[in-house]
Amino acid sequence: AQSVTQPDIHITVSEGASLELRCNYSYGATPYLFWYVQSPGQGLQLLLKYFSGDTLVQGIKGFEAEFKRSQSSFNLRKPSVHWSDAAEYFCAVGSTASKLTFGTGTRLQVTL
Amino acid sequence: DAGVIQSPRHEVTEMGQEVTLRCKPISGHNSLFWYRQTMMRGLELLIYFNNNVPIDDSGMPEDRFSAKMPNASFSTLKIQPSEPRDSAVYFCASSTLAGGLYNEQFFGPGTRLTVL
Repeated sequence: AQSVTQPDIHITVSEGASLELRCNYSYGATPYLFWYVQSPGQGLQLLLKYFSGDTLVQGIKGFEAEFKRSQSSFNLRKPSVHWSDAAEYFCAVGSTASKLTFGTGTRLQVTL
Repeated sequence: DAGVIQSPRHEVTEMGQEVTLRCKPISGHNSLFWYRQTMMRGLELLIYFNNNVPIDDSGMPEDRFSAKMPNASFSTLKIQPSEPRDSAVYFCASSTLAGGLYNEQFFGPGTRLTVL
């Protein structure tokens, strides 16, 4: 069965600092991997996705993620965080992007 | 595009009452997903449809839950009778299925359900 682990429940960073959110997955084949962001009271918005090819993927809002098969990881990064990035971030894994399994989320707080 | 539309945005009801949540997917999308989000269990897939046909309902928690998609532009999730433990945020998402592969899912704003 596929699963996703986001080990950090809550992270606080200063505005302008770099960010890395961790995601580890368990899946038997080549996974489809996603990062979504959820602002308070809103639905989930896709930040980026990995299906195949280049293991470093670029997304919206200046985010990027790197797929590392050997580590079963798909960590999300941003070089300089803005206060508007404060939200909850979800990593998800699936086989054909249909039946997705989501992690429990990481809540990001940004201090000014 | 208006995105995925869900109604109502908030619903407060009493235990035992019937609750119907509604979803309008993005025009042209042929796949629709219903999710439930709670603090305890996170985001769970309840059921999904392809071309209005239910494909996998293994995530539906009990027989009290049912979902329909009578046409490509409308779906409902019904809970009858509702119980306090059904309190959650329910999301609808849609995507396209082409060549046997799905594209990313676009989520609606959710319906926050409170069952007293």
